[in-house]
Amino acid sequence: DSGVTQTPKHLITATGQRVTLRCSPRSGDLSVYWYQQSLDQGLQFLIQYYNGEERAKGNILERFSAQQFPDLHSELNLSSLELGDSALYFCASSAQPVLGETPLHFGNGTRLTVT
Amino acid sequence: DAKTTQPTSMDCAEGRAANLPCNHSTISGNEYVYWYRQIHSQGPQYIIHGLKNNETNEMASLIITEDRKSSTLILPHATLRDTAVYYCIVRVASGTYKYIFGTGTRLKVLA
Repeated sequence: DSGVTQTPKHLITATGQRVTLRCSPRSGDLSVYWYQQSLDQGLQFLIQYYNGEERAKGNILERFSAQQFPDLHSELNLSSLELGDSALYFCASSAQPVLGETPLHFGNGTRLTVT
Repeated sequence: DAKTTQPTSMDCAEGRAANLPCNHSTISGNEYVYWYRQIHSQGPQYIIHGLKNNETNEMASLIITEDRKSSTLILPHATLRDTAVYYCIVRVASGTYKYIFGTGTRLKVLA
């Protein structure tokens, strides 16, 4: 168990709809990362937050947005959904390193199916 | 874009050592090499990371060449449960702690 919790595990919705994916990082971790993994594809970095502020952006669509709340949990909002948005969405967290490096710890993902 | 190159797939006999190579010829002096693996569709699992020196933990060993342009992940006694996609990552050192995953190596451990 990585300590990162993602809900829901599965989500089925229709095109054009909006969904919210939730992530609770490991206790004490300040950074949250979101990744998208389409069928048989690699992990695509979407966005990173650190202590409530956006730190880095990857290939995140304008229809997608995220935020990190004061209690450090994060939500990824996906709107105007298209069939191509069907994928696994992973959240990861990491501590802010003081010395050296700290790895990412991933949740088990939310499987989104858009019909 | 990913800054690493890995073979697409490898097979390894159960009980033997699995040696997974990774090329990262453009690595900078302050960039770490990380290894993760993903079993089926589970969340990626951290294995090990290193900067210059070889590293070992309970899961694996990481051998980094002296010029740091390549590395090898070694699973000393592969089991069927080690069948997974293994990702080698060079952490982008830009202050944003961005981790870019490549396509990885699909390791199949054979009975």
